[in-house]
Amino acid sequence: DGGITQSPKYLFRKEGQNVTLSCEQNLNHDAMYWYRQDPGQGLRLIYYSQIVNDFQKGDIAEGYSVSREKKESFPLTVTSAQKNPTAFYLCASSPDRSYYEQYFGPGTRLTVT
Amino acid sequence: DAKTTQPPSMDCAEGRAANLPCNHSTISGNEYVYWYRQIHSQGPQYIIHGLKNNETNEMASLIITEDRKSSTLILPHATLRDTAVYYCIVGHAGGTSYGKLTFGQGTILTVHP
Repeated sequence: DGGITQSPKYLFRKEGQNVTLSCEQNLNHDAMYWYRQDPGQGLRLIYYSQIVNDFQKGDIAEGYSVSREKKESFPLTVTSAQKNPTAFYLCASSPDRSYYEQYFGPGTRLTVT
Repeated sequence: DAKTTQPPSMDCAEGRAANLPCNHSTISGNEYVYWYRQIHSQGPQYIIHGLKNNETNEMASLIITEDRKSSTLILPHATLRDTAVYYCIVGHAGGTSYGKLTFGQGTILTVHP
């Protein structure tokens, strides 16, 4: 089955620790995205990548970092510099030239205490 | 990107067709209409998109008016699992647009037994 996987589903960390969220896709999509969603809120774009070894900041990139070494993988690191890291994190991918047609993973719910 | 307007909520009986309207009166000639839904605590799910012709896939049908100022998403036989928030957005298919998804309030569809 083609799709996007994110792991883990739930993640708990202590304040001050960096944490990396996994995102893998086997849809052969060039573009990948990371969003954050807070309770009752819409999506906010953190980072996106349109091609391997290239990525761009979204609207709320501060305190986050990404890498795109392989087409299939786009991990997100939530650093200790992120002031409010507790949120629902969603990874998505889209086919080239259809950027609004995005396929999402199941999400990772991160809780930092 | 053009703005969209959707009713805040709708009800539908299980097994009946659910018709979800969306107004996008400022849509430009090369913007597509995209539909997504988000079931509680899950990531958004792409449903369908179209430019000016009606579209159908295994999930739904999309009817776009001739003037392209409004559209209707049709779930032909709604089930309880179709209860979700449905979002209509407009955007360019590709080019230089990188496809940041920005959902409005959407329509809360509740399917009743």
